[in-house]
Order: sequence, then structure tokens, then C-alpha cells
Amino acid sequence: GEDVEQSLFLSVREGDSSVINCTYTDSSSTYLYWYKQEPGAGLQLLTYIFSNMDMKQDQRLTVLLNKKDKHLSLRIADTQTGDSAIYFCAETPASGGSYIPTFGRGTSLIVHP
Amino acid sequence: EPEVTQTPSHQVTQMGQEVILRCVPISNHLYFYWYRQILGQKVEFLVSFYNNEISEKSEIFDDQFSVERPDGSNFTLKIRSTKLEDSAMYFCASRSGLAGGDEQFFGPGTRLTVL
Repeated sequence: GEDVEQSLFLSVREGDSSVINCTYTDSSSTYLYWYKQEPGAGLQLLTYIFSNMDMKQDQRLTVLLNKKDKHLSLRIADTQTGDSAIYFCAETPASGGSYIPTFGRGTSLIVHP
Repeated sequence: EPEVTQTPSHQVTQMGQEVILRCVPISNHLYFYWYRQILGQKVEFLVSFYNNEISEKSEIFDDQFSVERPDGSNFTLKIRSTKLEDSAMYFCASRSGLAGGDEQFFGPGTRLTVL
């Protein structure tokens, strides 16, 4: 079955860039997502990318997709303490019209002053 | 801004007891979902619900689980006889299903602890 893997922790200094990486196995993935979970809150969709794109930029967020290596990354520029959260990578398959994402374990981003 | 709400935020129960987790999806959404996340593990899909019936379910969603939309607003997950391994965070989500409405909106979760 599909699998999504990401590192569990990332610690950065405020003002630096953060890069959270993810790998997936499903070669037919259509949508690849990044969700953010703040303490006590649900999963908030941050951004997503279609599998026929290489890059998507949205303000401080840059998503890079290497489809050949099945590698997805999320770059947060000028990381702030408010960016501290768990970031989940997820993908949905191309076939069947299913909108059920397969999630990774989540990367805890810790931003320190 | 409309949001998905879940109650309770934390539920503690004894093994073998029945629990009902409640969700209020966003009001004009048509698709509803339950997911769970065991501590330290991945978020796992349980079930999806559309037009008053289950549209898709995972292997986890066995006969111990059931879902219901008892009225026009609530969406519930029932676990008939809880086991220790049911301890997890349970997330509800809803999706519009209308044109351009592919995003799932998640609730804050209910933490279920089975003792």
C-alpha cells in the first residue's frame, strides 16, 4: 500500500528557513499536501501541489516536488515562533476519485529565539 | 469562519465500555470522515460517509465501530466495546463536495483514553 515518511523533529532558530522533507511511495499520487497542526487544534491544510507541478510558492511557503525521487519538501522562509507546530505530509492517489489522504507521522517543528 | 467542532475534547473510559464521539461538520458539507492517530503513529483513515451511508472504510473500521448522522448537524462515531488499543486521537473531517470543494476541513480531535 501507499506509504508516506517524514522525519519526526526539526529545530530551527527564529528568522532562519525551515525545510521539512517527505518521501512517498505511490507513483500515481495526484495531490500532495502539507497540513499544520497546532497544539489543541485540528489539521489545517497549508498548501498542496498537483503531481504535474515541480514547485508552488505561497508567501513564505515553497513546496518542491521531485516526482522522479518521490520527494516532497516544504520550505518556510523567515520562520517565526508561531510556526511551531506539527507538519503532516499527505498524498491522495490518482485513481478511483478517492479523496482519502495517506498521512505521514508528522514533523514537529520547534522554533527557538 | 465555519469550522468543524468535536466533543468531548478528552474522553476517558473503561475497557469494554461503549463510547460515542461527536462531531458537528461544516453546515453545507456533504462528505464526512473519521480518522484516528495513535500516539506517535500516523493519522489513519477510518471511514467516509455520504448521503447517509458509508462510502468507504478501512480495515480498522470493524464491527466494533459504527457511524451515524442522527440529525442534520451531528456526525457520530460509536465504539461498542472499547479496547486498550482504541486509545488514540480521533479526528472528524468534512468536505463540501461541490465544484472546487476538494479540501477536507478537520476538527480539533477527541483524545480517547481507554483504561
